[in-house]
Amino acid sequence: ETGVTQTPRHLVMGMTNKKSLKCEQHLGHNAMYWYKQSAKKPLELMFVYNFKEQTENNSVPSRFSPECPNSSHLFLHLHTLQPEDSALYLCASEGQGYTGELFFGEGSRLTVL
Amino acid sequence: QKEVEQNSGPLSVPEGAIASLNCTYSDRGSQSFFWYRQYSGKSPELIMSIYSNGDKEDGRFTAQLNKASQYVSLLIRDSQPSDSATYLCAVIKGTGFQKLVFGTGTRLLVSP
Repeated sequence: ETGVTQTPRHLVMGMTNKKSLKCEQHLGHNAMYWYKQSAKKPLELMFVYNFKEQTENNSVPSRFSPECPNSSHLFLHLHTLQPEDSALYLCASEGQGYTGELFFGEGSRLTVL
Repeated sequence: QKEVEQNSGPLSVPEGAIASLNCTYSDRGSQSFFWYRQYSGKSPELIMSIYSNGDKEDGRFTAQLNKASQYVSLLIRDSQPSDSATYLCAVIKGTGFQKLVFGTGTRLLVSP
């Protein structure tokens, strides 16, 4: 199994839909991240979980709702999104202590119609 | 001022040449610096980290750090077409929560 797995890889949803992105890491890491990647913009940190506790919410709109049931799994629940939320959503994990050495999943490409 | 600045490119070099990728950062207290490589349609992967002033070499890659000038660079020797990718500079900001901040990346094209 690959280190960090994200599903689905592609998602198209309407503005009124509710969907979820899933991330699973098989590296035994303790920290997990959600990043948003849009064209021509730097990676934007959204949420950080360390030992299942949320330690960072980077002023993300409430239409994005993270969930971390354990150190291996991370979800991003999506509802009433806007077209400008269309982007690549990347999950990453990190071993210990915010080393900066992130392992990324392949991403979920989201399109909001 | 952007927290981490990179020229978006593309930087075009012929096969076998040295590619030089540059990055500047705004937080003088930053201590940890990283280069990630992202192939088109793929996710970023860490290729180099550097923490002290000077050079750090790993195979064909050399990272250079100058904290006084707030400048980080990545040199790729003997560039190969397979090095064609976007290179992201990332910096851990100085104090408090150690937030990793990325630049927009420099696209490198290595022509055969």
